[in-house]
Amino acid sequence: GAVVSQHPSRVICKSGTSVKIECRSLDFQATTMFWYRQFPKQSLMLMATSNEGSKATYEQGVEKDKFLINHASLTLSTLTVTSAHPEDSSFYICSARGSLTVNEQFFGPGTRLTVL
Amino acid sequence: AQSVTQPDIHITVSEGASLELRCNYSYGATPYLFWYVQSPGQGLQLLLKYFSGDTLVQGIKGFEAEFKRSQSSFNLRKPSVHWSDAAEYFCAVATYNTDKLIFGTGTRLQVFP
Repeated sequence: GAVVSQHPSRVICKSGTSVKIECRSLDFQATTMFWYRQFPKQSLMLMATSNEGSKATYEQGVEKDKFLINHASLTLSTLTVTSAHPEDSSFYICSARGSLTVNEQFFGPGTRLTVL
Repeated sequence: AQSVTQPDIHITVSEGASLELRCNYSYGATPYLFWYVQSPGQGLQLLLKYFSGDTLVQGIKGFEAEFKRSQSSFNLRKPSVHWSDAAEYFCAVATYNTDKLIFGTGTRLQVFP
């Protein structure tokens, strides 16, 4: 149980385009989803927290107009990187938490974004 | 503010040797503590967690960790390392009143045959 998927696993795009990454909880209802960013050989940095049906809460320094997060249902959250630039290239990981799992997040496999 | 320190960036051990990965946290109250493992290009897998109770926690893949409040530590141990344990290990802390996980900088484990 508690499986989280991400799609796509890898994406390459041109500078200036937008990219959407999906995060799904497959066997539980995710009341809260989290988006992290991980640079090579570094730790995970929380970008934003989203609760189903509410606007996402962004961490300090994260541009909310650039990284659009939507959590429209209890099983799906999306991260859209708008007008992507090479510096947005990174590994993006989502996690999800259900109402019954106190302070435990289940992580997706990650999405490798490369912006040319 | 909460923080997590993993003093060892890179550790190399021989297969079959014992392992201890260090983790220190900074938080005023008892935190929720986690150890995750990440293989290259993959997401995170939970090895074990501590919320309360017995301070010695057993996890998957033969790992265990001990919470020591006096030392603000939550070190991960394994008595005999396997080559498949080579990966990046992250310690993380969360608090009872927040969803946020604060991660350490990670320790890369290399295993030699």
